[in-house]
Amino acid sequence: EVQLLESGGGLVQPGGSLRLSCAVSGFSVSSRAVSWVRQAPGKGLEWVSVITGSGGITFYADSVKGRYTISRDNSKNTVYLQMDSLRAEDTAVYYCAQLTTSWGQGTLVTVSS
Amino acid sequence: DIQMTQSPSSLSASVGDRVTITCRASQGISSNVAWFQQKPGKAPKSLIYAASSLQSGVPSKFSGSGSGTDFTLTISSLQPEDFATYYCQQYNNYPFTFGPGTKVDIK
Repeated sequence: EVQLLESGGGLVQPGGSLRLSCAVSGFSVSSRAVSWVRQAPGKGLEWVSVITGSGGITFYADSVKGRYTISRDNSKNTVYLQMDSLRAEDTAVYYCAQLTTSWGQGTLVTVSS
Repeated sequence: DIQMTQSPSSLSASVGDRVTITCRASQGISSNVAWFQQKPGKAPKSLIYAASSLQSGVPSKFSGSGSGTDFTLTISSLQPEDFATYYCQQYNNYPFTFGPGTKVDIK
C-alpha cells in the first residue's frame, strides 16, 4: 500500500525558512515522480514542484522558483521541500503526492509575524 | 503556462442526478489530464488519470472523457458521499496546472 506522510509544517516569520519532509512507503522515490501541491485557506489547489523518478530532475511553479528547492534522499525514501524567503502568501496546507495515485494528509505552513 | 478552466464553478444537484463537469485547456494536452475529488478538511483523492482511466478502487459511476483541449468528468448517479469539490489537472507540460475547481452541493 502506498503511503506518503508529510511533516515539518508550522509557524514561521516572513523572510524565514522551513523544510518539509515527505516520507514515502509502497514505492521507491528513485523510480517515480513526487510532487508538492499546496492549498491556501479557502482556495484551490496549486502545484508547487516535482522531482522526477529517474534522473531526479526538478521543476517549479513560477511563484516559488528561486525560493523553494525540492530534493530527495533515496536511502530514506523521503522527499524534501526547502522553503526560503517565505511570504505571507505562502501560507497553505502543503501536500506531497504521487499525483495520479496517492496523496499525503498535508502539513500546514503559516507565514506570519 | 497552460491554463485550465472548469465549468460550472459550482452546481446544485439532487441525489440520483447525472452530473457533468467540463475542463478546458488553453492548448492541446493530449490525454494528460487527471481528476480529483476533495472533501472539506481532507486531502484530494485521485479519481481519473489519462483523461478516462479509472483509478483503482474508484466506483464506476465516475467516468472521464476527452482529449486535446476539452475534457469532461461525469458522475452517473450522484450519491450523498459525492458532494465535494472536483478539480482537473494537466500533466502534459511543466508547470503542471489545476483547474479552479467545481463545487458540487445538495439542491
